[in-house]
Amino acid sequence: QSVLTQPPSVSGAPGQRVTISCTGSSSNIGAAYDVHWYQQFPGTAPKLLISGNNNRPSGVPDRFSGSKSGTSASLAITGLQAEDEADYYCQSYDSSLSGGAFGGGTKLTVL
Amino acid sequence: QVQLQQSGPGLVKPSQTLSLTCAISGDSVSSNSAAWNWIRQSPSRGLEWLGRTYYRSKWYNDYAVSVKSRISINPDTSKNHFSLQLNSVTPEDTAVYYCARAAEGSSWFPSPFDYWGQGTLVTVSS
Repeated sequence: QSVLTQPPSVSGAPGQRVTISCTGSSSNIGAAYDVHWYQQFPGTAPKLLISGNNNRPSGVPDRFSGSKSGTSASLAITGLQAEDEADYYCQSYDSSLSGGAFGGGTKLTVL
Repeated sequence: QVQLQQSGPGLVKPSQTLSLTCAISGDSVSSNSAAWNWIRQSPSRGLEWLGRTYYRSKWYNDYAVSVKSRISINPDTSKNHFSLQLNSVTPEDTAVYYCARAAEGSSWFPSPFDYWGQGTLVTVSS
């Protein structure tokens, strides 16, 4: 079981806004460790989507945004497009594991 | 542009050693502002960070608790690559293995994985 909990799936119609939550604890997100988000298409490696809680690497559309509060973080996608259909993962650090921690992943379906 | 190219066998027998290599271009394994990681992904375990190697005046390694007794990650400065060895594998170690860079020039902790290898499916089976 992943130490960071994400919903297995979310869905939305084109143009809508969706959010993906990432719930942690006092040994990871709640300990003020930063959260990063990745987008993964089938058969490919994850791609960095959001770094440092709410920063978009060059080339990532501003439709993607991140936030963090307390022991949770969220990824928001506005103006949903068919090409956004993918798996999304959050990542942080966990002091009890003494290493990196990933969420279990959320499959986004664009209806 | 940083590129990571993985190589290694896709089939390993139970109890044997899994060995993979990640060749780096566009950066140096000896960089003082990067760490070089191995991550695996399987349906049962999801994405799992395995460990890293990095150079800060000397070489350091960190390993996940789950594999600490079986893993070794080593840099090769002459070839600008780093390798993963996982001993005594079982079918539970069947996964897609990725190498990834964590650029550590920012104030974030942990650093994000900004470049990834293409992934290698490793199956543990007799």
